[in-house]
Amino acid sequence: EVQLVESGGGLVQPGGSLGLSCAASGLTFNSFVMSWVRQAPGKELEWVSSISGSGSNTYYADSVKGRFTISRDNSKNTLYLQMNSLRAEDTALYYCAKGGPPVGGRYFFDFWGQGTLVTVSS
Amino acid sequence: DIQMTQSPSTLSASVGDRVTITCRASQSMSTWLAWYQQRPGKAPNLLIYKASSLQSGVSSRFSGSGTGTEFTLTISSLQPDDFATYYCQQYYSYPWTFGQGTKVEIK
Repeated sequence: EVQLVESGGGLVQPGGSLGLSCAASGLTFNSFVMSWVRQAPGKELEWVSSISGSGSNTYYADSVKGRFTISRDNSKNTLYLQMNSLRAEDTALYYCAKGGPPVGGRYFFDFWGQGTLVTVSS
Repeated sequence: DIQMTQSPSTLSASVGDRVTITCRASQSMSTWLAWYQQRPGKAPNLLIYKASSLQSGVSSRFSGSGTGTEFTLTISSLQPDDFATYYCQQYYSYPWTFGQGTKVEIK
């Protein structure tokens, strides 16, 4: 059974930094694209970033480009998101999501973690 | 970016009702569309991918259709567990984008 467990969320001041982790189990981790998707309180889902199975290709939403860095350690089955220069609008529940079997580079999200809450406030 | 617009935003229905949710894309995207269910306080759960393919383990009450710019999610006979928020998502081109959600409430 696939399990994704996020950690690292918390309260941080505007302009601060925070690092999130997602521990994966029950899958051949390096075979799948992994992503971060966030959800501000009471709002819709927003894709944040994705990384290829090898880690060689990364993709970002414009809203976080240049501030967030996605990475993975396939030896530890762990996905990361380093968040710098945090803003109030980054406040959200951050989900780790596994990509389904890719077709031509396209994939949906077939498994999700339970999320870790990031609050940016002074 | 491809904008996804769902309608209605809120839907009131009774157990046993047939329910249809629509998702419109701002540009044609073939059938690269997924539907998710999110119950309160829970993570999203994949229901449908490639517009009409049912995810393993998901009830056959759920079905999807459409291509191009217009898509629908249908619940054939609403059950108590189905009262939740539903999101469509395009995975045709980056950035992947979601609809604003449709909340299915008890009438």
